[in-house]
Amino acid sequence: EPEVTQTPSHQVTQMGQEVILRCVPISNHLYFYWYRQILGQKVEFLVSFYNNEISEKSEIFDDQFSVERPDGSNFTLKIRSTKLEDSAMYFCASRGQGSWEQYFGPGTRLTVT
Amino acid sequence: DAKTTQPPSMDCAEGRAANLPCNHSTISGNEYVYWYRQIHSQGPQYIIHGLKNNETNEMASLIITEDRKSSTLILPHATLRDTAVYYCIVRIWNSGYALNFGKGTSLLVTP
Repeated sequence: EPEVTQTPSHQVTQMGQEVILRCVPISNHLYFYWYRQILGQKVEFLVSFYNNEISEKSEIFDDQFSVERPDGSNFTLKIRSTKLEDSAMYFCASRGQGSWEQYFGPGTRLTVT
Repeated sequence: DAKTTQPPSMDCAEGRAANLPCNHSTISGNEYVYWYRQIHSQGPQYIIHGLKNNETNEMASLIITEDRKSSTLILPHATLRDTAVYYCIVRIWNSGYALNFGKGTSLLVTP
């Protein structure tokens, strides 16, 4: 069965550093999403992306965050200058045209020290 | 999006039906009810969705009351692998379709 993959599974970075989290959505999907989950808290929506542009974003998704689909397969989330409070599990998801279901990846655990 | 209310936790014996309630009393006519679950910090997994009719798939059944103010997710024969946090989400169908997860119900299936 097709699945969303994410790399790395765990990333440790120092405060102020830039990080790029990578996702490979399911190949024929057109809608892409990033969510995060701080340890012990609920899953929070960050951003949705369609047709090479952001279609919706939350208040969390400020100027420190950016997303990109650099080629036909990858979808990335960049955090420009990480803060301690960015430590969380980051989930990528994708959805096909006309589909109700978002498929989530296994997540990248980001630890900012 | 309409607000949803779910019990924080529930227990169910293995092999029995698990009935997970969700209250969405402010739901509007064009809002759908979606259920996802998250097994121990894995990525959330879609279960089922509905508008006003009851729905069933290979994973579960969704019963929506006639006034649409509440719904129940039914796992007909719960297994230990069904232990997870279950999220009831209400929102309209649109191109963005961002999911707003609440705290959900933590379901523990016991042997």
